[in-house]
Amino acid sequence: GAGVSQTPSNKVTEKGKYVELRCDPISGHTALYWYRQSLGQGPEFLIYFQGTGAADDSGLPNDRFFAVRPEGSVSTLKIQRTERGDSAVYLCASSPTGANTEAFFGQGTRLTVV
Amino acid sequence: AQSVTQLGSHVSVSEGALVLLRCNYSSSVPPYLFWYVQYPNQGLQLLLKYTSAATLVKGINGFEAEFKKSETSFHLTKPSAHMSDAAEYFCAVSDAHKLVFGAGTILRVKS
Repeated sequence: GAGVSQTPSNKVTEKGKYVELRCDPISGHTALYWYRQSLGQGPEFLIYFQGTGAADDSGLPNDRFFAVRPEGSVSTLKIQRTERGDSAVYLCASSPTGANTEAFFGQGTRLTVV
Repeated sequence: AQSVTQLGSHVSVSEGALVLLRCNYSSSVPPYLFWYVQYPNQGLQLLLKYTSAATLVKGINGFEAEFKKSETSFHLTKPSAHMSDAAEYFCAVSDAHKLVFGAGTILRVKS
């Protein structure tokens, strides 16, 4: 596709459940990022992939959060035992190289934990 | 660590008036700075970026920003606001491979 695609666009889940959020980056972009945007705040960094490997996962809030990018393209953000505080918009972005270059963002997945 | 501060969570201007959105940065190295715009229920779209080539940066939709090292600022301006400019604007600084965003400024344009 022409841009970064994220699915689903909206996800409502019950507290304690497991969720997966998918990101399909721009073809050929080696760098992929996940950010989380809470209401009234700017996006906050979660994790950065360069190819298949997580080069920086320092933004993941705790061990309930995990992300993979097994073939260096599509990425999945996984959240276990969801909590109401996990409710936010999860944004995915990709860039050609990752170093001080423009990041292209998807439309986000709005996660609501009830 | 790099950071940005956006002054004013809400800014309201009349259609045709000057738009000024303020951003100050803190960086231990020469910064790469960005302005993004977010329309309702959409992702972030890059307006412009500063990469040290020129202090006055022109972006899309008539926006521009000036890098002022002495003031550690990167304010966003547009000479004449349009109704379509109503959105949320984010200033960001590059911290190696990731972006550090400000809290955002919601721009309201009155007719």
